[in-house]
Amino acid sequence: NAGVMQNPRHLVRRRGQEARLRCSPMKGHSHVYWYRQLPEEGLKFMVYLQKENIIDESGMPKERFSAEFPKEGPSILRIQQVVRGDSAAYFCASSLRTQGPSRYEQYFGPGTRLTVT
Amino acid sequence: SQQGEEDPQALSIQEGENATMNCSYKTSINNLQWYRQNSGRGLVHLILIRSNEREKHSGRLRVTLDTSKKSSSLLITASRAADTASYFCASNAGGTSYGKLTFGQGTILTVHP
Repeated sequence: NAGVMQNPRHLVRRRGQEARLRCSPMKGHSHVYWYRQLPEEGLKFMVYLQKENIIDESGMPKERFSAEFPKEGPSILRIQQVVRGDSAAYFCASSLRTQGPSRYEQYFGPGTRLTVT
Repeated sequence: SQQGEEDPQALSIQEGENATMNCSYKTSINNLQWYRQNSGRGLVHLILIRSNEREKHSGRLRVTLDTSKKSSSLLITASRAADTASYFCASNAGGTSYGKLTFGQGTILTVHP
């Protein structure tokens, strides 16, 4: 059973370009979380999605950032018009359930390291 | 200030010694989790302790939780060079029905052979 997959693992963008980060959850998981880790810091929650629904986007910057998790295919975190401050590692995690203790168990992907030049 | 602050920020020990890391949080929790991150890599889940639990063991790991002080500690016994990594606590806020986590700043552990 493959784990959470993220691609690309490394992404370099110039200021003003768009960045698209993909996350394929574990097989059977329909809940995805995105976190951002700035250099030398812990992870910060960005958004929680279920298939075709954004449940909690309280950690998403108000502008330029968007996320989706379509019925088919991976979850996408999209950053428009990137700036140097967007340089960070972006992690996604998936979980299986919304009921019972298992809903708190998350499995993290290896992350995408975004560098904005 | 942020939920999930950790202490110390960095810890350097010799192989075979024990390592203790502390974490504080600010709101009520459903559970608290500890993760390890090797340099430049993803996160590995170590252990989850629920709000009604006080202590939990997993191999060489021992986690305690004191909800009255809103604090937790992670003890790694008989450390090994391979334990060198960053360790993060992450809390799941009380009343949250899903797994949203608030991470601490982390403790960088270096174990010297």
